[in-house]
Amino acid sequence: KNQVEQSPQSLIILEGKNCTLQCNYTVSPFSNLRWYKQDTGRGPVSLTIMTFSENTKSNGRYTATLDADTKQSSLHITASQLSDSASYICVVNPAGGSYIPTFGRGTSLIVHP
Amino acid sequence: EAGVAQSPRYKIIEKRQSVAFWCNPISGHATLYWYQQILGQGPKLLIQFQNNGVVDDSQLPKDRFSAERLKGVDSTLKIQPAKLEDSAVYLCASSLDRQEGFPLHFGNGTRLTVT
Repeated sequence: KNQVEQSPQSLIILEGKNCTLQCNYTVSPFSNLRWYKQDTGRGPVSLTIMTFSENTKSNGRYTATLDADTKQSSLHITASQLSDSASYICVVNPAGGSYIPTFGRGTSLIVHP
Repeated sequence: EAGVAQSPRYKIIEKRQSVAFWCNPISGHATLYWYQQILGQGPKLLIQFQNNGVVDDSQLPKDRFSAERLKGVDSTLKIQPAKLEDSAVYLCASSLDRQEGFPLHFGNGTRLTVT
């Protein structure tokens, strides 16, 4: 069964600090992995996509990594801002089949001033 | 481009009543999804459409939930009769196609409270 596990479930940090969110998956065959940011009361928005051949990708202060061998991904946020407070959801897409994405439960990040 | 539009934004009903949600995807997007998101959890797929055909509805509680996508554009999701455990945010998403490279574009959801 395809599964995506995220940790930690929630995280509280001070503004300006860095943090790393984790995602482990069992989706097979693997196509790509996306990190989404969901602000309170809004729908998720894609931050970055990682394909099989990519190890690291940056999008501003967000850096995603992928280890396809161990089936792990991380999202590192540098110099956090209050606007980073949100839920971060890891979504893994299978290759072929019905192309149904598998969602993680998300990590709730709160940035305090 | 205009985003995914959903209405209503909020809905409060009593158990055993019926409710309908509406979604207008991004123009040209062939794939449309309905998700249920319970507080503190990730979205759970209810149904996926490719144009006006159903690709997957294996997690849709068909005894009370129904969905349609007429003419392959707008979609409606209906619950009849509603139960207390249906209280959740219902998200609609669309993508250019259902192959793996395309991101999902989400609406802001409808927050349903069943009392």
